[in-house]
Amino acid sequence: AQTVTQSQPEMSVQEAETVTLSCTYDTSESDYYLFWYKQPPSRQMILVIRQEAYKQQNATENRFSVNFQKAAKSFSLKISDSQLGDAAMYFCACRRGGSNYKLTFGKGTLLTVNP
Amino acid sequence: KAGVTQTPRYLIKTRGQQVTLSCSPISGHRSVSWYQQTPGQGLQFLFEYFSETQRNKGNFPGRFSGRQFSNSRSEMNVSTLELGDSALYLCASSLIVFPYEQYFGPGTRLTVT
Repeated sequence: AQTVTQSQPEMSVQEAETVTLSCTYDTSESDYYLFWYKQPPSRQMILVIRQEAYKQQNATENRFSVNFQKAAKSFSLKISDSQLGDAAMYFCACRRGGSNYKLTFGKGTLLTVNP
Repeated sequence: KAGVTQTPRYLIKTRGQQVTLSCSPISGHRSVSWYQQTPGQGLQFLFEYFSETQRNKGNFPGRFSGRQFSNSRSEMNVSTLELGDSALYLCASSLIVFPYEQYFGPGTRLTVT
């Protein structure tokens, strides 16, 4: 079984600043993937970034990057140059490797971006 | 390419009734997963279908069922609705090759009164 914990129910950031969202996970699998999803008020879940556990290099997608600490089972998301459109609920999720599509989600962090 | 579509977007049902929700995956995606999202329990996995077969199932009662058709479209059914079934039901589709990323639809908001 996998568990995902997001310890920050809410976070806020000033526009153009940087914010880091925390996530810890637990899994007995050696092959797994980690994800950050964004869910804006429209409710459409959008994939932000993916990290394969076997990769040591941290994933980056434009202004979004992760800090993957495998030994500590930590997977934080850094958003640089925050924009008003980044305001959303952010979910950390974990999935076993291979063609198993069950995602285990954390409870989410609500990010507010202040102008 | 069109995204994942779900119909209907909103639904109001009475306790005891049954409901069927529909999901059309992205063209070429053969795996469809369903999730229930509630304020209390968060996002929970219901089941996943591939090639018309259920491959994975979450910890939900038998009142929750689903199926997948040959064109990969999927439906989920909830019988004997309870107030606690009020939720946002999300469908996600995926290719069956790496990186197996799941793309979500806009969801169906079910309200049980």
